[in-house]
Amino acid sequence: AQSVTQLDSQVPVFEEAPVELRCNYSSSVSVYLFWYVQYPNQGLQLLLKYLSGSTLVKGINGFEAEFNKSQTSFHLRKPSVHISDTAEYFCAVTRGNTGRRALTFGSGTRLQVQP
Amino acid sequence: KAGVTQTPRYLIKTRGQQVTLSCSPISGHRSVSWYQQTPGQGLQFLFEYFSETQRNKGNFPGRFSGRQFSNSRSEMNVSTLELGDSALYLCASSSGQGLLQDDSPLHFGNGTRLTVT
Repeated sequence: AQSVTQLDSQVPVFEEAPVELRCNYSSSVSVYLFWYVQYPNQGLQLLLKYLSGSTLVKGINGFEAEFNKSQTSFHLRKPSVHISDTAEYFCAVTRGNTGRRALTFGSGTRLQVQP
Repeated sequence: KAGVTQTPRYLIKTRGQQVTLSCSPISGHRSVSWYQQTPGQGLQFLFEYFSETQRNKGNFPGRFSGRQFSNSRSEMNVSTLELGDSALYLCASSSGQGLLQDDSPLHFGNGTRLTVT
């Protein structure tokens, strides 16, 4: 079985400051990793995904994440946040042999960007 | 292109009743997945349909069922509702061919918020 741990339930940060949202996963087999964002009263939007290849993945809205197999981590980063980045962020994992749309999600991290 | 449409947006039901939620995928998408989001359990995969066939299923009791029609629209049904079924139910569609290895991204709707009293 696989699981995802998002280490911080809330991350407050000032506008234009850098941010890192942490995600660790556990799985005995190769995994595929995703970050999704959820704005209030909306569904989820894909920020970025790691399937294979380069461990540094760039996504939308200036976000990027680095896959670290030895530390089983997939932390999300942005060098300078904006008020509009305030939302809940979910890390998710899936295995190829269970279907790449059967995602296991972390509990989410609420990013609060303050002026 | 219109996004994934879920109806209704809000629903209030009484314990013991049944409920049907509807999802219209993005035009051309044939794969539809359903997720349940609760404060306690977070986001959990329910099932996935492709070409009117269930391709994958999460760990939910048989009270949760779904189906997909020939136009790719999908419905999800929950029978004998329990208080713990109160949740945001999210539908997602993708353009893949329904293969397990398919990595076509999921496009989520805004969800149906079900409240069971």
